[in-house]
Amino acid sequence: DGGITQSPKYLFRKEGQNVTLSCEQNLNHDAMYWYRQDPGQGLRLIYYSQIVNDFQKGDIAEGYSVSREKKESFPLTVTSAQKNPTAFYLCATSGGGTGTGELFFGEGSRLTVL
Amino acid sequence: SQKIEQNSEALNIQEGKTATLTCNYTNYSPAYLQWYRQDPGRGPVFLLLIRENEKEKRKERLKVTFDTTLKQSLFHITASQPADSATYLCALEQDMRFGAGTRLTVKP
Repeated sequence: DGGITQSPKYLFRKEGQNVTLSCEQNLNHDAMYWYRQDPGQGLRLIYYSQIVNDFQKGDIAEGYSVSREKKESFPLTVTSAQKNPTAFYLCATSGGGTGTGELFFGEGSRLTVL
Repeated sequence: SQKIEQNSEALNIQEGKTATLTCNYTNYSPAYLQWYRQDPGRGPVFLLLIRENEKEKRKERLKVTFDTTLKQSLFHITASQPADSATYLCALEQDMRFGAGTRLTVKP
């Protein structure tokens, strides 16, 4: 079954702890993205990667880190430096070039800091 | 930097009417613009893409227009149904940035 798998779906974390959100895809897409969504707000871009071993900061990268060691995987680490990490995190992929950049999204991971 | 504005946070309409949602951008015109639907607690789902040289695109009850002079896209849902209730987001191709979304409620 082709698609994007995000895990865990729900995650609770104590303040000061790092946590890693997983994003795996079997769509053979080159580009992968991480977005954050807060209640009643739109999506804000955290990091994106156009190719393996390369990634770029988005608009709100502070307090987050990523890696892209494999085409299929783009994990996001929420570090203790992120001041307000409670949010809904969405991973997305796209496979085409200009004009074909439809994004495919995972089901999201909801992180709550206690 | 490019700003994307969806200037209605919420829109309530009666079933059967046409819903019209607006997406404005501030700087350069993107090569294309996309519209997505998002249901609560789910990831967005792609609906339509319109290119800069296209004035209008249709898909079933959905219609999107793109006016590069006004720097605006309009998203229409005709003969709206309660099942169309969701948040609708626009995104620009170059940035893959999204507008804040418009939450549409269709009342029976």
